[in-house]
Formats: sequence, structure tokens, C-alpha cells
Amino acid sequence: QSALTQPASVSGSPGQSITISCTGSSSDVGFYNYVSWYQQHPDSAPKVIIYDVSNRPSGVSNRFSGSKSGNTASLTISGLQGEDEADYYCTSYTTAAIPGVFGTGTKVTVL
Amino acid sequence: EVQLVETGGGLIQPGGSLRLSCVASGFTVSRNYMSWVRQAPGKGLEWVSIIYSGGTAYYTDSVKGRFIISRDNSKNTLYLQMNSLRVEDTAVYYCARGIRLTTLDYWGQGTLVTVSS
Repeated sequence: QSALTQPASVSGSPGQSITISCTGSSSDVGFYNYVSWYQQHPDSAPKVIIYDVSNRPSGVSNRFSGSKSGNTASLTISGLQGEDEADYYCTSYTTAAIPGVFGTGTKVTVL
Repeated sequence: EVQLVETGGGLIQPGGSLRLSCVASGFTVSRNYMSWVRQAPGKGLEWVSIIYSGGTAYYTDSVKGRFIISRDNSKNTLYLQMNSLRVEDTAVYYCARGIRLTTLDYWGQGTLVTVSS
């Protein structure tokens, strides 16, 4: 099963907004509203920041928001802060051999 | 407090076997779906295996027939039996609890598996 496609890197200045895309197909992102986003800092386990396309777990900053259009999901980080510098991964439910697939990952750099 | 602690990683020769364990506390493993996710050095995340509360298990294609996910309800522990290991299986292996489809809300600290001669 192929990984979902994300840009390798995205950067922005403090206070700006950035958007990370996650492109799949009609067998995953396009069909199911089960898209999650994870933030991973170096040498740490991933942390879920968005689930079911646009929902934030308790304790996650409202600067993180998610959306979906067709086969592409998006994560927007508004008011970019230094602590947001990390790797971000999307996931989607899928009809493949294993019902979960990760994106290729995006490194966010705060300039 | 929910905690997941993985053990069992290490250096192993190609073709060898390892069993990873993930001891859970603060919740019941058998009542949730559990996953193993791996990350090769400097690479992205890869979903390796999932076991649902009913016992149905899934595997990514590259490990099918070689890895087996299981759980011991009496020990509240998740396992990953890894056989016929290959160099490309080298990675940090995380166990994680699933609460909704694709939502893994708690993760262990990870255990490193290195397959090398």
C-alpha cells in the first residue's frame, strides 16, 4: 500500500500561518472521514493533534486545524511558534491490506 | 495514568527472530485496538500491524507471513513476534493504543530493532 503524499518541507516565520497537504485517493482520504494528524519532535514518540479530519484532542492548541477536500486533507498551523518546529504526519483509514496508512511526512521549520 | 512500555529490541542477524513486548497500564489492552508502528532511521512512520478488540489482525504487506501480533489479556501486554528478519526491518518500533480509526492516542517510548550481520 502506498503512503499518502505530503510535501517534504514547509517553512514560515513566527506568527504566520502554514498549510500542509496530504494527498491520497478515493480508497482512503477521499472516501473516509478518518484522517488524523501527528506531530513528532526529534527523539520523541508522535502525538495526535487532529482526528476525524478536523477534531482536536483535549489539550491541543486551537492554532492547529484540519480540513479535507476530495482526496486531499490539510493541516493548518496558525500563529506559528518555535515549538511547532517538528515533523508532521497524516494518516487515513484505507481499504488496503492494513486499514491504516501514514503520509510521507513534512518537516516544519520556523524561520 | 495510561502508559505503554516496550521492550525486546536489540541487534539481531538477518534471518533471526525477536519478540517485542508492550506492557500497558491504566487501561485494558483487550478492549481497545492496538497497533505497532515503526520508523526506520531518518525515515517516516509506517503502520506495521493492528489488532482489534475482537482479535482480528492486519499486517502491512512487507511483514505479512513473518510477523505475528498477539496479546496476553492476563498480563495486559501486546506482543509482536518478528521472524525471518531482514535488514530493512531495522527501525524503532512503537506500540500505540487506538481509540478511533487511525487515531492513536497513547504511544510507548519505542524500542530499537537493528538487523545487521
